[in-house]
Amino acid sequence: NAGVTQTPKFHILKTGQSMTLQCAQDMNHGYLSWYRQDPGMGLRRIHYSVAAGITDKGEVPDGYNVSRSNTEDFPLRLESAAPSQTSVYFCAMKRLAQALKGDEQFFGPGTRLTVL
Amino acid sequence: GQQVMQIPQYQHVQEGEDFTTYCNSSTTLSNIQWYKQRPGGHPVFLIQLVKSGEVKKQKRLTFQFGEAKKNSSLHITATQTTDVGTYFCAGEGENSGGSNYKLTFGKGTLLTVNP
Repeated sequence: NAGVTQTPKFHILKTGQSMTLQCAQDMNHGYLSWYRQDPGMGLRRIHYSVAAGITDKGEVPDGYNVSRSNTEDFPLRLESAAPSQTSVYFCAMKRLAQALKGDEQFFGPGTRLTVL
Repeated sequence: GQQVMQIPQYQHVQEGEDFTTYCNSSTTLSNIQWYKQRPGGHPVFLIQLVKSGEVKKQKRLTFQFGEAKKNSSLHITATQTTDVGTYFCAGEGENSGGSNYKLTFGKGTLLTVNP
């Protein structure tokens, strides 16, 4: 996955519980994003960060918090999980302009989260 | 806000037939990206188009970016069973960059291929 790791792969939460999804990249790139993927909805960006210390809201930020204390890590926190947050979560790293392909975004393997 | 529409939602073809998916943005884009996601997998980057009217090819895949930089297409010639998956486009807005990184995904086209 070109240096993007996510943990855990699967998790089940109860409504109201909190959890942190981990994302790490080892290619020293600045742009990281969190997406959620739901059937029929495609990929929707939750939060993103262009560099350590800088984060911004994406399309669907409510119920999620992020922080970026260093280049490598970009954790996504659910403070009080709700069933509507049942989804597959992907972390993605943007790598700038590589030869013929252009800017390339690498996705991690995903975390499948169920909130009961 | 920026919207990216992708059609069709589903496409089923016989192996050997061609396949095309189309992407339309509500606003002018600085670039468009295409991804493929196999069932149960994660999206994999295919290509980025930047220039107005640009055409790029990867073996049997042909990508086009419209003259107005608001639409794009992906065409697969002579599909194979290995082409099965969902194809997504993602449009990056103009003036996107730095802390204003605007990227919106289409909902994808699921391609199934009958051998």
